[in-house]
Amino acid sequence: AAGVIQSPRHLIKEKRETATLKCYPIPRHDTVYWYQQGPGQDPQFLISFYEKMQSDKGSIPDRFSAQQFSDYHSELNMSSLELGDSALYFCASSLAGSTSEQYFGPGTRLTVT
Amino acid sequence: GENVEQHPSTLSVQEGDSAVIKCTYSDSASNYFPWYKQELGKRPQLIIDIRSNVGEKKDQRIAVTLNKTAKHFSLHITETQPEDSAVYFCAASRTGRRALTFGSGTRLQVQP
Repeated sequence: AAGVIQSPRHLIKEKRETATLKCYPIPRHDTVYWYQQGPGQDPQFLISFYEKMQSDKGSIPDRFSAQQFSDYHSELNMSSLELGDSALYFCASSLAGSTSEQYFGPGTRLTVT
Repeated sequence: GENVEQHPSTLSVQEGDSAVIKCTYSDSASNYFPWYKQELGKRPQLIIDIRSNVGEKKDQRIAVTLNKTAKHFSLHITETQPEDSAVYFCAASRTGRRALTFGSGTRLQVQP
């Protein structure tokens, strides 16, 4: 079965640079969530989108922005990167309706030097 | 907002023994409680979930119980195997297009 696709899988950036992470949800899934997971930490919710509209907002820094496109893929844009932004960034997708199962992608490991 | 507490933080069991991980939540409006298994550097994988309209759910060697009155839920793994070794996260949310709030995780080590 098709899963959530994320690209790139690894990314190395320097401080103050920008980064763009991409997420392709499971086919027919219309809701996308972004989570940040630091080393040894639990995933922290950043932001979610449903039908190209922001659905929910968590602890996303003002330096980050995201959007969902007409084909339901989503991009997380990160600017003025800081050392503390180094983490695993997961995208998850779900199908709107009564079910709430969120399926996670393989993640993007971002390292800021 | 929701706050989820998870215990223990580490758990070591012998192969074949049972393992129990417990979580409590704070938001009485939460009604969806999934459990994820995460191996090092990999994605969280949904292993079982429970909704507030049931008290228990079982899938082969794993089961989850929910006590809405006490706001706690637990994961039970029976006949543990070395491949069960991983970090397990509980989470809570309201149903619909809602973010998950995770517990801090339990590192389970199954000794052969």
